[in-house]
Amino acid sequence: KAGVTQTPRYLIKTRGQQVTLSCSPISGHRSVSWYQQTPGQGLQFLFEYFSETQRNKGNFPGRFSGRQFSNSRSEMNVSTLELGDSALYLCASSFGPPNQPQHFGDGTRLSIL
Amino acid sequence: GESVGLHLPTLSVQEGDNSIINCAYSNSASDYFIWYKQESGKGPQFIIDIRSNMDKRQGQRVTVLLNKTVKHLSLQIAATQPGDSAVYFCAENSGGATNKLIFGTGTLLAVQP
Repeated sequence: KAGVTQTPRYLIKTRGQQVTLSCSPISGHRSVSWYQQTPGQGLQFLFEYFSETQRNKGNFPGRFSGRQFSNSRSEMNVSTLELGDSALYLCASSFGPPNQPQHFGDGTRLSIL
Repeated sequence: GESVGLHLPTLSVQEGDNSIINCAYSNSASDYFIWYKQESGKGPQFIIDIRSNMDKRQGQRVTVLLNKTVKHLSLQIAATQPGDSAVYFCAENSGGATNKLIFGTGTLLAVQP
């Protein structure tokens, strides 16, 4: 069974640009969550999607947005990139009901110049 | 943010010894907990989970203990191997109809051959 797939693995952007990251969950999983990982702040929750609806959102500015498609694949978008957005962006999927194991992809490393 | 990731504690053990990694969680209402292992360049890998109606759960070479009175989790790894070297994170789901996880700061486990 294939795991969570995130594309691209690496991205380099400049300030002010926007970026779209993609996540394909494990087959059968309907919940997709996104996290930002930085050395200073650790792993922080961005948002969760379930059945194409945002179910929860973390404390991030509106520049961070996401969506989920009918096949459960998800994308997140960051607009007007800032230097502080440099991070590893991780996607996790699970079947959907709370309190089920979540499995992570290997992330997209975003670097802002 | 909700995850404080400023300093990474390190646990150094000899190959073959048992390891105990500790974690203090933040929310007494949390009802589900997961331990993850993260190797360099990869996403967090699910190790074991435990629900709040349990105080102990065992897997292959790993045991998780939950003490709700003092909001404390521990991960015990038996017969630690060099391949266990990684950063270990505990995560809590603070309840409700969501899969939002709050992560601890992480512990670096270094296994000496």
